[in-house]
This record gives sequence, C-alpha cells and structure tokens, in this order.
Amino acid sequence: DTGVSQDPRHKITKRGQNVTFRCDPISEHNRLYWYRQTLGQGPEFLTYFQNEAQLEKSRLLSDRFSAERPKGSFSTLEIQRTEQGDSAMYLCASSLLREGGAGANVLTFGAGSRLTVL
Amino acid sequence: EDQVTQSPEALRLQEGESSSLNCSYTVSGLRGLFWYRQDPGKGPEFLFTLYSAGEEKEKERLKATLTKKESFLHITAPKPEDSATYLCAVRLGGFKTIFGAGTRLFVKA
Repeated sequence: DTGVSQDPRHKITKRGQNVTFRCDPISEHNRLYWYRQTLGQGPEFLTYFQNEAQLEKSRLLSDRFSAERPKGSFSTLEIQRTEQGDSAMYLCASSLLREGGAGANVLTFGAGSRLTVL
Repeated sequence: EDQVTQSPEALRLQEGESSSLNCSYTVSGLRGLFWYRQDPGKGPEFLFTLYSAGEEKEKERLKATLTKKESFLHITAPKPEDSATYLCAVRLGGFKTIFGAGTRLFVKA
C-alpha cells in the first residue's frame, strides 16, 4: 500500500466552473476525512465518512460542496460554481477505527490537491 | 466553541538552540491530543499522541508533554532538517479532529 493518494495534485479553474477531487485512502482504513488548508493556517475540517456513511459535515461548508464515498472505498469532493475564496489545498486523510472505538484515530494524510480559482 | 491555539506563529532558531512550542486547547471532550509535522507542499505527518495530563512522548530530538489545558513540543538541539510547520490537533467525541494554525519552525545552520 502506497498510502493516501489524491488526484489531481493541482487544478486551475475559472470562477463558476465545477471541480472534482478524488481520494484513495489506505485500503484497510474505514474512516476518511476531508480538510481544507489555506496558506499559513492549519487544516480546517470539512467532513468525514465511516465506510460509506457521511457522519459529519462542517457547518461552514456551503451547499456548493458535496462529498461521496461510494462502496466505502475512494471518495470524491465536488465543488460547484467555484469562487475565488475556494482557492486552497484540499487534504484527504484516512484512519482505522477499530471495533469498539478504541485506538488513537491517527490520521494519515495524502499530499493534497491544490485548487486555484481565477 | 472547541478551539486549538498554537504559539508562537513562527520561530527562528540557530542549530543547537533548544526551544518549545505551545498548544493550548479549549474543548468540550478531549479524546486525544496529536502533534503532526508538515513540510511545504505535503500533507501533515503524524508525530505523537497524548491522552492524559502528565503524559510524555519522545522521538529523536522531539518531546511532547501534556497538561490539562495545554501541550508543549520541546525541541532539543534542533538541526536544519527539523525546519517545518508543527501542527497540534485534538480529537473530539465522534472522532472529529480539529487543528491549530501551526508553528512554522526555521532552524539555521
């Protein structure tokens, strides 16, 4: 397993266009997270999945953002009608939730997908 | 509101000059505190997990400690390769994890 993979690594788009990012987590991990990070800031929580179920979504996330994780494997994050304020690094992370909820829930991150909205 | 605050925002050290980074948190239910390292253009990389006040973890030149309201990341005799952004994060109930803004560390040879 090569870790968490994200695609594309860089995306430049014009305002108003739709973009989609893909994340392939570590195969045995059942939790998947999306974060957004802007320059000089820490990662900001967007949403997370346990298997295919989306368990929590940030209140800061507008309706233009949608995430899916079909079949509990890879995940996609779509941003519709992009705005310049959406320019950021979108980070995906995965973790293993053990039976009974024990464990540290250490997040393994991908390298991120950098979005630039012109 | 759950919050994680890190200080200083940036820290410049000479090689061999030891120092500490601070992470203070205000959360309703701490389930674990984490330290991550992030290099430019990469995702964060896990360093330590701490669960209870008084706990300490060490790895090479780094040592993390935890009290009831804050954590410290001590860097002993740093080297230029320790230059990175160090992120503190806390795990809340339900496995949601929130991050601080990070401390950018620069170590000059």
